[in-house]
Amino acid sequence: DTGVSQDPRHKITKRGQNVTFRCDPISEHNRLYWYRQTLGQGPEFLTYFQNEAQLEKSRLLSDRFSAERPKGSFSTLEIQRTEQGDSAMYLCASSFGLGSNQPQHFGDGTRLSIL
Amino acid sequence: RKEVEQDPGPFNVPEGATVAFNCTYSNSASQSFFWYRQDCRKEPKLLMSVYSSGNEDGRFTAQLNRASQYISLLIRDSKLSDSATYLCVVNMNTGFQKLVFGTGTRLLVSP
Repeated sequence: DTGVSQDPRHKITKRGQNVTFRCDPISEHNRLYWYRQTLGQGPEFLTYFQNEAQLEKSRLLSDRFSAERPKGSFSTLEIQRTEQGDSAMYLCASSFGLGSNQPQHFGDGTRLSIL
Repeated sequence: RKEVEQDPGPFNVPEGATVAFNCTYSNSASQSFFWYRQDCRKEPKLLMSVYSSGNEDGRFTAQLNRASQYISLLIRDSKLSDSATYLCVVNMNTGFQKLVFGTGTRLLVSP
């Protein structure tokens, strides 16, 4: 399967712990996006990378959140000092090309539960 | 006011029925529009793009009214497999797809 891959699928941790998620986009996709989805809501945009450059960050991405895409391939999303409100599904998506018409392909997501 | 508003449903319809979903968006500068489908505990998947001229893909028809800032999705001859949440999605950006999702409308198709 050459789709977007996310790891882990599920993460359960205690409040205050740090967590890191990984996303492997579709090969050669230069654009990568992170979203967060809570129950009963649609996904919310968090951040966007074009190759290794992080070009846009949502105000939802507080100082406790950091995302990287060091070589323009896989990306990591780290949450420090997790809080109950961080419990959500974290979705990664990738697309190829320039402009705004290329569809985004989503991964299965990482479901985070904070105890 | 939410940027993208949808009726959360659920819409309960029998197999074979025609069902329509509506969506409104608040930002008149929105660039492009989509319907995504999301099954329970799965990732969203692009169903179709929405164009001002309207577009059809099999049993699915999407319409856009820029003047009224309104988007619709029509599903004809509903199948059990159409049961899912349908997300109305708006792209706010010209340089890349900065997608804003509605809360989704849940559809349940029964035998």
